[in-house]
Amino acid sequence: KAGVTQTPRYLIKTRGQQVTLSCSPISGHRSVSWYQQTPGQGLQFLFEYFSETQRNKGNFPGRFSGRQFSNSRSEMNVSTLELGDSALYLCASSDGTGENIQYFGAGTRLSVL
Amino acid sequence: GNSVTQMEGPVTLSEEAFLTINCTYTATGYPSLFWYVQYPGEGLQLLLKATKADDKGSNKGFEATYRKETTSFHLEKGSVQVSDSAVYFCALVPTSNTGKLIFGQGTTLQVKP
Repeated sequence: KAGVTQTPRYLIKTRGQQVTLSCSPISGHRSVSWYQQTPGQGLQFLFEYFSETQRNKGNFPGRFSGRQFSNSRSEMNVSTLELGDSALYLCASSDGTGENIQYFGAGTRLSVL
Repeated sequence: GNSVTQMEGPVTLSEEAFLTINCTYTATGYPSLFWYVQYPGEGLQLLLKATKADDKGSNKGFEATYRKETTSFHLEKGSVQVSDSAVYFCALVPTSNTGKLIFGQGTTLQVKP
């Protein structure tokens, strides 16, 4: 089975721009969660989508948004980029039920200049 | 609220030494507990898990026991190898949220030959 795939692996943007990151979950998984990883704040939960609906949300501003498609692929969008948005963005998928073990992708490294 | 606290790193050990990484948590109810490992340039890999009190998770020589009385989930390995060098994260899923992992700050382990 293929793992969680995130694209692109690296992105460089400038302040004020917007960016869209993509995540393809493991086949059969209906839950996709997104996390931001920075040296200062560590790993922080952004949101979770399950069967195309946002099921959980972290404490991030409205500039961070996401969606999930009928094939469970998910996208995350950040509008009006700030320097502090530079981070590794990780996506994780799970079957969304029972133990709900999450499997992570390799991440997208976003640099905001 | 829910939180996870790990011992400060980095931890530097010689090959074949005994490893302990301390992890304590605060949570309402009965969370599931996890250890994830992150190698340089990669996403997170699930190392082991425990879903109820007194459960012992184990994998690749690593072990951790869910101790509800001390709210702890310490990671141990009897004999570390250079290939174990990585960042280790303790995490929990609160009972009421299935897709939201709450992470500790991570502990860097460096094993020297």
